Amino acid sequence: DVKVTQSSRYLVKRTGEKVFLECVQDMDHENMFWYRQDPGLGLRLIYFSYDVKMKEKGDIPEGYSVSREKKERFSLILESASTNQTSMYLCASSLLRGQRRNTIYFGEGSWLTVV
Amino acid sequence: AQKITQTQPGMFVQEKEAVTLDCTYDTSDPSYGLFWYKQPSSGEMIFLIYQGSYDQQNATEGRYSLNFQKARKSANLVISASQLGDSAMYFCAMNANTDKLIFGTGTRLQVFP
Repeated sequence: DVKVTQSSRYLVKRTGEKVFLECVQDMDHENMFWYRQDPGLGLRLIYFSYDVKMKEKGDIPEGYSVSREKKERFSLILESASTNQTSMYLCASSLLRGQRRNTIYFGEGSWLTVV
Repeated sequence: AQKITQTQPGMFVQEKEAVTLDCTYDTSDPSYGLFWYKQPSSGEMIFLIYQGSYDQQNATEGRYSLNFQKARKSANLVISASQLGDSAMYFCAMNANTDKLIFGTGTRLQVFP
């Protein structure tokens, strides 16, 4: 079974802090994703990576950066956390196929509260 | 631009009854895939079913079926014989010539005894 592991399930951070959300997958997937989930807005893509050191902006990249130094690990960074970044963050991975049928596997989510 | 629309914020269904969750999509790409995911209160996203734009038949997976109407750009999820464990958020999603999925806003389904 594919396993996508997010390092922290629940975090509380202060405004202005630098926050790291870590994600590891164990299935040698090329693609990794960070989504943000908010009530009434569904899941929105923050960043996408299809290879080590490669990244693409998603729909809402402002205020976030990412790092992918190893194939299995994809980190989301909030350089200076703000209260409007309080949300659930979901990491996901999939094979690189560029095709339609490509199931994305998700981690359990990280609930971030910025106070 | 690609878009997924789920117009039902919440749905109720009695146990053992069938329920349809609506999803419409918009894309100019003729090649695309449609997905449904379930998210229980624990937060994990569980893949349920997939439909390709060129698939001739509607997808089925156990109690889940996808009512794909290409001309109307709709991809409704039908859950037959609802169970209490089906209570969750349900998300419709799409990709088109890309590995990135875009999601709708979700429908919260509650199954009552």
